[in-house]
Amino acid sequence: GIQVEQSPPDLILQEGANSTLRCNFSDSVNNLQWFHQNPWGQLINLFYIPSGTKQNGRLSATTVATERYSLLYISSSQTTDSGVYFCAVITGNQFYFGTGTSLTVIP
Amino acid sequence: DAMVIQNPRYQVTQFGKPVTLSCSQTLNHNVMYWYQQKSSQAPKLLFHYYDKDFNNEADTPDNFQSRRPNTSFCFLDIRSPGLGDAAMYLCATSRAGGTEAFFGQGTRLTVV
Repeated sequence: GIQVEQSPPDLILQEGANSTLRCNFSDSVNNLQWFHQNPWGQLINLFYIPSGTKQNGRLSATTVATERYSLLYISSSQTTDSGVYFCAVITGNQFYFGTGTSLTVIP
Repeated sequence: DAMVIQNPRYQVTQFGKPVTLSCSQTLNHNVMYWYQQKSSQAPKLLFHYYDKDFNNEADTPDNFQSRRPNTSFCFLDIRSPGLGDAAMYLCATSRAGGTEAFFGQGTRLTVV
């Protein structure tokens, strides 16, 4: 099956810092999403981004499908950004998660 | 306006006692998914329905079954829960063809 790897696995930032999270996938995909999992376990949709670049406030994402990777940018990080970030890829009707990046933002 | 609703949010069951988790959706999506997420791990796909067509992942244990009586509802049945089945169970929906997926809040299952 398709392999989805995220890096880095863990990240600690000072509040106000910027960061880039990466998602690599091993095969062609129909689509890709980025999620933030909050401390209560709920997955929050951040971006649905099969290709190109999207921005939402301090967050933006870029997917280069032909090179099989996606990037999530977090600018001016806040403590509320802490949690686990997952990318998930879609092939046909199957939806597979990456390994996740655990982000901790320190005041 | 919750779009994907899972019940209950927390479930405690006894070792070996059958348990059912439910998921409902108001999006009229034809694909529904069930995931298992254990602590500090990524969600793992158990199975999905495309309309009434059931698609089981190859490594999903036989202990896990699912029912989809109509478009709106999907159930996860664990026939004989073991301690290793304690996890967060997540339901998601999407339209066919890999469109954006929406997740419920999850059910956290404890096995005692």
